[in-house]
Amino acid sequence: SQQGEEDPQALSIQEGENATMNCSYKTSINNLQWYRQNSGRGLVHLILIRSNEREKHSGRLRVTLDTSKKSSSLLITASRAADTASYFCATDAPPPGGGSNYKLTFGKGTLLTVNP
Amino acid sequence: NAGVTQTPKFRVLKTGQSMTLLCAQDMNHEYMYWYRQDPGMGLRLIHYSVGEGTTAKGEVPDGYNVSRLKKQNFLLGLESAAPSQTSVYFCASTRHRVSQPQHFGDGTRLSIL
Repeated sequence: SQQGEEDPQALSIQEGENATMNCSYKTSINNLQWYRQNSGRGLVHLILIRSNEREKHSGRLRVTLDTSKKSSSLLITASRAADTASYFCATDAPPPGGGSNYKLTFGKGTLLTVNP
Repeated sequence: NAGVTQTPKFRVLKTGQSMTLLCAQDMNHEYMYWYRQDPGMGLRLIHYSVGEGTTAKGEVPDGYNVSRLKKQNFLLGLESAAPSQTSVYFCASTRHRVSQPQHFGDGTRLSIL
């Protein structure tokens, strides 16, 4: 079952605009990660935000986490054509029966197209 | 740095054939994972390993087997390939806890006819 669900499924913007992608999840989490996937390539880690954090920045990326709403957002500012990719959120959640978690659950992704 | 290397990159099989996908990482990572990616489905976990000699089932393990005889290698086997296993397979590794970033290979594109 999918823990994280990205919204929108696809987003098309012009170069220089900001892009916002959202991720909703169902259960409490330890942390949430965002990944980028360029066409034909593997996923690349972008940023990790822990459950006790509300916002993190990395270059042109800004991630927020609202645990009360079980949602996260990824903002890419001043987008470039090279930002064209699929973006995935992934959650690290405690198992229902307790104990340690060893795996991430990925959403289905948002396809971002940045037009020159 | 090679990171995570998957071989082969592409393969076409006939229904019923068997094959093994190899994942190798040179980062001394403890945890390794096999995912499949299908259109509209995102990444789904097949099997994973938290250390040499250990394996565990993920979300979609049926029809696949894995082995982790050496820390740096994680093998995914298809004993009798089925068209439903046509997919792109990704291997990933992480250092020693799931709260750290996963490093991915560039995938194996597998078609079953």
